Amino acid sequence: KAGVTQTPRYLIKTRGQQVTLSCSPISGHRSVSWYQQTPGQGLQFLFEYFSETQRNKGNFPGRFSGRQFSNSRSEMNVSTLELGDSALYLCASNLGDRSSYNSPLHFGNGTRLTVT
Amino acid sequence: AQTVTQSQPEMSVQEAETVTLSCTYDTSESNYYLFWYKQPPSRQMILVIRQEAYKQQNATENRFSVNFQKAAKSFSLKISDSQLGDTAMYFCAFRVGNYGQNFVFGPGTRLSVLP
Repeated sequence: KAGVTQTPRYLIKTRGQQVTLSCSPISGHRSVSWYQQTPGQGLQFLFEYFSETQRNKGNFPGRFSGRQFSNSRSEMNVSTLELGDSALYLCASNLGDRSSYNSPLHFGNGTRLTVT
Repeated sequence: AQTVTQSQPEMSVQEAETVTLSCTYDTSESNYYLFWYKQPPSRQMILVIRQEAYKQQNATENRFSVNFQKAAKSFSLKISDSQLGDTAMYFCAFRVGNYGQNFVFGPGTRLSVLP
């Protein structure tokens, strides 16, 4: 079974631009979560999508948005990029239903975003 | 607020020795799940071990085991017979709520296994 796939692996953008990151979950997984990882703040939860609906949201400004498609693939968009958005963005998937309370997150390799 | 604290930013251990990474957490939830993840230089987060809060028995996965003290809200990870491949960042995390996949992660401990 293929793992969680994130594209691209690296991105360099300029302040003020917008960016879209993509995540394909493990086959059969309906929940996709996004995390921002920085040296100073660690891993911070951005949002989670389940069956094309945002189910949970972290404390990030509205410039961070996402969506999920019917095949469970997800995209994350960041508009009006700031220098502080430079980070590793991790996507994770799991089954997401009530029967999988203790199922772990399966992570992708992340997208390294650099804002200059 | 729900938080995870890992008080050891960096640790090192000699190959074949045993090391314990500490983790404490704070939550008012009664139903939650605890996890340890490792992140090697390849960047991919890999599940090491998990523990259900309502189970008193400590989880074990080969060389990895936990010491779960629910009343103290402590969840330490013990690595026995350390190997060079164990060199990584280790994150303690817990999942809250009855639905949704909102995991709260600690700041991580960088573990170096020395030859």
